[in-house]
Amino acid sequence: IAGITQAPTSQILAAGRRMTLRCTQDMRHNAMYWYRQDLGLGLRLIHYSNTAGTTGKGEVPDGYSVSRANTDDFPLTLASAVPSQTSVYFCASSASDSGTEAFFGQGTRLTVV
Amino acid sequence: EDQVTQSPEALRLQEGESSSLNCSYTVSGLRGLFWYRQDPGKGPEFLFTLYSAGEEKEKERLKATLTKKESFLHITAPKPEDSATYLCAVSNDYKLSFGAGTTVTVRA
Repeated sequence: IAGITQAPTSQILAAGRRMTLRCTQDMRHNAMYWYRQDLGLGLRLIHYSNTAGTTGKGEVPDGYSVSRANTDDFPLTLASAVPSQTSVYFCASSASDSGTEAFFGQGTRLTVV
Repeated sequence: EDQVTQSPEALRLQEGESSSLNCSYTVSGLRGLFWYRQDPGKGPEFLFTLYSAGEEKEKERLKATLTKKESFLHITAPKPEDSATYLCAVSNDYKLSFGAGTTVTVRA
């Protein structure tokens, strides 16, 4: 089934540890995104990529990094996790970087303790 | 800065009781307005895209409309399975900016 796969589905992480959230899409979409969703704050963009080889900062990029080595994969790395990074993380992709709908994965629930 | 405001925050309806959700927005260079449905523990599911004022889209009991400053999602004769959080988002050059959502609960 075509779509976006995120892994892991949930994780409990000790503060200070490094963690990579994985995201893979099989729709050959050019644009990919990472959002975090927190109660009362909605979905906030962390980083985005308009095409393979390029990335950009979103609304809340501090403490996160991304890479886009190919079209399908867009991993999100937390270099040294802090409790404020406890959230639900969603990866999304769209055919282009503007004016087209984005499709979301099922999310990764991350708890930093 | 793009802003998307949704109201109300929560809406409790009786089955069959029609209502509307509001999404007010300010964005420089609107490329599209999107409605999503999100069920608990799941990712947002795409519903509609609207591109210009006056445009309308329908899907089953849902109808989305767009003006220059706001969009409405009308739910006609809702059923319990329409219970979800409905998210509105606007697109500018490179990203989607989301509202906080309206949580709809439909009681049988």
